[in-house]
Amino acid sequence: KQEVTQIPAALSVPEGENLVLNCSFTDSAIYNLQWFRQDPGKGLTSLLLIQSSQREQTSGRLNASLDKSSGRSTLYIAASQPGDSATYLCAVLDNYGQNFVFGPGTRLSALP
Amino acid sequence: EAQVTQNPRYLITVTGKKLTVTCSQNMNHEYMSWYRQDPGLGLRQIYYSMNVEVTDKGDVPEGYKVSRKEKRNFPLILESPSPNQTSLYFCASSPRLAGGSWYEQYFGPGTRLTVT
Repeated sequence: KQEVTQIPAALSVPEGENLVLNCSFTDSAIYNLQWFRQDPGKGLTSLLLIQSSQREQTSGRLNASLDKSSGRSTLYIAASQPGDSATYLCAVLDNYGQNFVFGPGTRLSALP
Repeated sequence: EAQVTQNPRYLITVTGKKLTVTCSQNMNHEYMSWYRQDPGLGLRQIYYSMNVEVTDKGDVPEGYKVSRKEKRNFPLILESPSPNQTSLYFCASSPRLAGGSWYEQYFGPGTRLTVT
């Protein structure tokens, strides 16, 4: 059964710093991996999606990489801003192509 | 505007009183799914549907039912709610890629359910 973990569970960074969030999954036979942002009490907003055949995706200050063989993905956020404060979740579409499995999330506090 | 809508957004009910949470998407997506989110447990998939009249259990289906009679709608039914079903519920939808995989998920705003 696919399991997804995220490290660290929480992170505080000063404004302007670059940061990396980590996502690991146990079964490397995934179809895609998606990074989300969730603000407190709100829904999930899709940030980036990486197909299994891709190595990375970029959107503005965000860059996500995927290493399927090692079961890892990283989300790089450049020049953090207070508005980046949120919980970041990764989710993988498992090897059957039917179930999405989420990690527990990393709670980011970008301090002014 | 392309979106996933859920109703109601907030619901307080009593044990055993049947309820339905509606989910609708206007993007013609084939795939729809329900999740619950609990502190310390994260998001867990309840049921999903790959198309009309096709539904399957996720990781935590006990106590829930779903139906997919139309492509746009995917209601979540709690026949006899219990306090352990108090949670934040999300509906999501995804379009299908040409190769058969699913593209990114779009989430509804969530329904906060309290069962007393």
